[in-house]
Amino acid sequence: SQTIHQWPATLVQPVGSPLSLECTVEGTSNPNLYWYRQAAGRGLQLLFYSVGIGQISSEVPQNLSASRPQDRQFILSSKKLLLSDSGFYLCAWIWGQGVDTGELFFGEGSRLTVL
Amino acid sequence: EDQVTQSPEALRLQEGESSSLNCSYTVSGLRGLFWYRQDPGKGPEFLFTLYSAGEEKEKERLKATLTKKESFLHITAPKPEDSATYLCAVQAGGTYKYIFGTGTRLKVLA
Repeated sequence: SQTIHQWPATLVQPVGSPLSLECTVEGTSNPNLYWYRQAAGRGLQLLFYSVGIGQISSEVPQNLSASRPQDRQFILSSKKLLLSDSGFYLCAWIWGQGVDTGELFFGEGSRLTVL
Repeated sequence: EDQVTQSPEALRLQEGESSSLNCSYTVSGLRGLFWYRQDPGKGPEFLFTLYSAGEEKEKERLKATLTKKESFLHITAPKPEDSATYLCAVQAGGTYKYIFGTGTRLKVLA
């Protein structure tokens, strides 16, 4: 069966500090991977998605970046955090390679508080 | 621009009081419409996928329907454990992007 892991689950960071959130999918290959952010009481905002290693599409210009160094690993980073970066970050995957649609499967999320 | 609007923002029901949640969408070539349930502090949990107008899906007390402009999530005789935020998402044709609405927060009172 397929599983998705995100870490850390919770973190509190000062403004201006760097960030690294990791997401790993197990039990599948060539998945499409996604990063979403959910502000308090809000819907999910698509940040980045990737259809393959090294292939990143950015949806919202901001001080965040994403990388996909391995097939089943997706990393969200920032060099200097802003207060507005606070939120609930969700990683998701979907079957890739030849599959055009289907439901997203989400991780348990990483809650970031920037002080 | 692809857009998803959900209403109401919040809904309080008595146990057993049936109701419907709405998801209106504007998308260029709908590839799929998806319903999720999200509990506080958790990732969204998949409920249904609908692909074409007229399609219906059911699961326990939930039933999802789809027209060319909107989808409804009908909740029949809800129980307190149905309390959650319900999210709607669409995938536009020719893309790998999934656009979410802001959700409906449902509270079912015993």
